[in-house]
Amino acid sequence: DTGVSQNPRHKITKRGQNVTFRCDPISEHNRLYWYRQTLGQGPEFLTYFQNEAQLEKSRLLSDRFSAERPKGSFSTLEIQRTEQGDSAMYLCASSLGGAANYGYTFGSGTRLTVV
Amino acid sequence: AQSVTQPDIHITVSEGASLELRCNYSYGATPYLFWYVQSPGQGLQLLLKYFSGDTLVQGIKGFEAEFKRSQSSFNLRKPSVHWSDAAEYFCAVLTGGGNKLTFGTGTQLKVEL
Repeated sequence: DTGVSQNPRHKITKRGQNVTFRCDPISEHNRLYWYRQTLGQGPEFLTYFQNEAQLEKSRLLSDRFSAERPKGSFSTLEIQRTEQGDSAMYLCASSLGGAANYGYTFGSGTRLTVV
Repeated sequence: AQSVTQPDIHITVSEGASLELRCNYSYGATPYLFWYVQSPGQGLQLLLKYFSGDTLVQGIKGFEAEFKRSQSSFNLRKPSVHWSDAAEYFCAVLTGGGNKLTFGTGTQLKVEL
């Protein structure tokens, strides 16, 4: 098991373009989380899945953002019509059951730069 | 609302010196607390966590943290810092019914050789 994998590691896009990130969690983990981290800040919760069901979304997740986890395995996070304010590190994490038991395992993140 | 405060934005210590990074939390019930470390351009690595029981918890890389309910604190310590410890450190509390982490703003650690 190689941990949580995120692709791509870096993405530069022009304002107004759509981008999609992928996260592959640890195989036996049923929960998957997305966080966003801007410069000088701690990560902020965006959304989480239990298996294929998206159970909670933050107010930070505007209508331009959509996340999916088909079949309860990998997940994708899509941002439509990107804005400069979307520039951030997007982190994925997974856990087996509730994080209260085991905590999260984070991936290395996808750094998005919108120019 | 639940929150975590890390009062020190930057800390500089000499290699071999002791380290203490401060974390204060605001949470109504018994908190589940974490310390993570992040190297430049990387994701977060879990150093240690506190759920219950012994208030002094040991983590990886020689780190430990002490939970003090009376002070609402969960400070991270290391007796002797190594140059490779230079990174950003985040304290977090589990919120949202155990489904999400609320992080502090982080403390950037610089180690002088």
